Amino acid sequence: EIVLTQSPGTLSLSPGERATLSCRASQSVSSSYLAWYQQKPGQAPRLLIYGASSRATGIPDRFSGSGSGTDFTLTISRLEAEDFAVYYCQQYGRSLGTFGQGTKVEIK
Amino acid sequence: EVQLLESGGGLVQPGGSLRLSCAASGFTFSIYAMSWVRQAPGKGLEWVSAIIGNGENTYYADSVKGRFTISRDNSKNTLYLQINSLRAEDTAVYYCAKDPMTNGVLDYFDYWGQGTLVTVSS
Repeated sequence: EIVLTQSPGTLSLSPGERATLSCRASQSVSSSYLAWYQQKPGQAPRLLIYGASSRATGIPDRFSGSGSGTDFTLTISRLEAEDFAVYYCQQYGRSLGTFGQGTKVEIK
Repeated sequence: EVQLLESGGGLVQPGGSLRLSCAASGFTFSIYAMSWVRQAPGKGLEWVSAIIGNGENTYYADSVKGRFTISRDNSKNTLYLQINSLRAEDTAVYYCAKDPMTNGVLDYFDYWGQGTLVTVSS
């Protein structure tokens, strides 16, 4: 099973700042089958990025994904009020995929 | 508009059973794989089970294999999860989620339901 480790656990930033979230896999993720989700309290996760770098429909371009192999990054270029949430990475493509433990982006 | 509406959660004693349902609308249900993903209170996400569009192939996490059964009724656009021999550690919000690709499986999820809470406690 591929284990995904997200860092940091919590990111304290102000609106307008840049957020950089990391997701590291215990072994190489094939074909960059890596997705990112945003989850707000009491809500279901929302797909942001798939294929490591493709934005899902309706996702603002301030969200971007990058990386390959075992190291992946989600970047939010300028945080807006609605971006403060928990973010999860997920690897998929072989057997049931796995999720990282999440990074909480909170208002500083 | 794609909609996924889960139901069937509740409070159940250890060792008990429940059947969760997920009513789907807004897309051609029969050609998309569907999954159940759960989230324990205050914890992360765990992919529990998946089923391909025609229902012939199913997949389970080791933690639920032999206790959970995923199925679907394409005539009713409904996904099910039969959960037996429930344990305290099965307490979670259970989400149904849709595969993004026609006739795909084991992909990411483009739509999620709002979830249904299962609480296992005596």
